[in-house]
Amino acid sequence: SAVISQKPSRDICQRGTSLTIQCQVDSQVTMMFWYRQQPGQSLTLIATANQGSEATYESGFVIDKFPISRPNLTFSTLTVSNMSPEDSSIYLCSPRLDTDTQYFGPGTRLTVL
Amino acid sequence: GESVGLHLPTLSVQEGDNSIINCAYSNSASDYFIWYKQESGKGPQFIIDIRSNMDKRQGQRVTVLLNKTVKHLSLQIAATQPGDSAVYFCAETNNQAGTALIFGKGTTLSVSS
Repeated sequence: SAVISQKPSRDICQRGTSLTIQCQVDSQVTMMFWYRQQPGQSLTLIATANQGSEATYESGFVIDKFPISRPNLTFSTLTVSNMSPEDSSIYLCSPRLDTDTQYFGPGTRLTVL
Repeated sequence: GESVGLHLPTLSVQEGDNSIINCAYSNSASDYFIWYKQESGKGPQFIIDIRSNMDKRQGQRVTVLLNKTVKHLSLQIAATQPGDSAVYFCAETNNQAGTALIFGKGTTLSVSS
């Protein structure tokens, strides 16, 4: 398994501001995924962030809104830009280990007022 | 749209009973499947996985069954305990293609003592 930490664990933000979420993994992983989980819903993939390449985004998500950085094999950030109340969700990073298994961080609970 | 779905959004059982949670998937190219448990306020927790070259895999009190013919996945929990109360998600991926996990809608399991 992997130990995954996210910062912040939760935040309340004002409309129009941006928040950067950090994800730290205790081992080196090539593939990292970011998901969003809206209240009472399942997980939706935002983007794939592999070290050494540009992040690839799923339909409905764009780089200007959700820029991602992947500076090394143990760290990644997701920024939620120009936030609106519709962005209120849990944001989760998920590294894929060499065993193919994906684990999840504890999530960042974002509330936008 | 969703490529993975669950048959029942909620399941209520008595402590000590066996629980069966079902999942249907639509992508015949999927070769790896994972069941996750998500408790309130936490990120998804890995329970058990299965690859497409298997039809059954057992863990501690849990068994996953895979029927590729009808694209059906199930999670069996033996001697269900109150601590098993959570939302359960199945997820699928094509590891050969390096795609991310796609999640089903989730089943809420409630265990009464």
